[in-house]
Amino acid sequence: EAQVTQNPRYLITVTGKKLTVTCSQNMNHEYMSWYRQDPGLGLRQIYYSMNVEVTDKGDVPEGYKVSRKEKRNFPLILESPSPNQTSLYFCASSPAGSNTEAFFGQGTRLTVV
Amino acid sequence: KQEVTQIPAALSVPEGENLVLNCSFTDSAIYNLQWFRQDPGKGLTSLLLIQSSQREQTSGRLNASLDKSSGRSTLYIAASQPGDSATYLCAVRGSGGGADGLTFGKGTHLIIQP
Repeated sequence: EAQVTQNPRYLITVTGKKLTVTCSQNMNHEYMSWYRQDPGLGLRQIYYSMNVEVTDKGDVPEGYKVSRKEKRNFPLILESPSPNQTSLYFCASSPAGSNTEAFFGQGTRLTVV
Repeated sequence: KQEVTQIPAALSVPEGENLVLNCSFTDSAIYNLQWFRQDPGKGLTSLLLIQSSQREQTSGRLNASLDKSSGRSTLYIAASQPGDSATYLCAVRGSGGGADGLTFGKGTHLIIQP
């Protein structure tokens, strides 16, 4: 089944403790992105990647890192999480091209206390 | 910068009614528009994708239209059912964003009363 898989689905952590949210897609897509969703603000793009070893900042990149060492994986790294990073996170992938369809993972609910 | 607005923000209707959700965008230079469904605590499920050259797409009881020149799209749901209760998100893909270039509206929270 074609899908985008995120792990973990739920995570509660403490301020300053480094964490990684994994994202993997099995559709051989070139493009991958991370979004966060907050009440009243909608979905906002954090980082995106157009292919292996090619990443760039989205609208809200502060406090996050990403890497794209393999085509299928695009982990999101929070080096020193803070409470304002409590949010619902989504990973997305799509084929290269300007008119392709985006596929989203199931989301990761992160709480930083 | 592209802005996407969805009206209404919330809607509650009795089961069986036909309904229309609206999406407007400020920059008509889009490649495509996608409607998603989001259930509480769940991910985004793609419902319909309309390319910029198309006027509408249909899937079952759903019909989405696109008027690129006026910056509008509508999602029509026929014969609504309680299982249609969810948040519906509109997203446009244009040159203003990174890689996938998706800009989202804030969604319409839909409740279908049994």
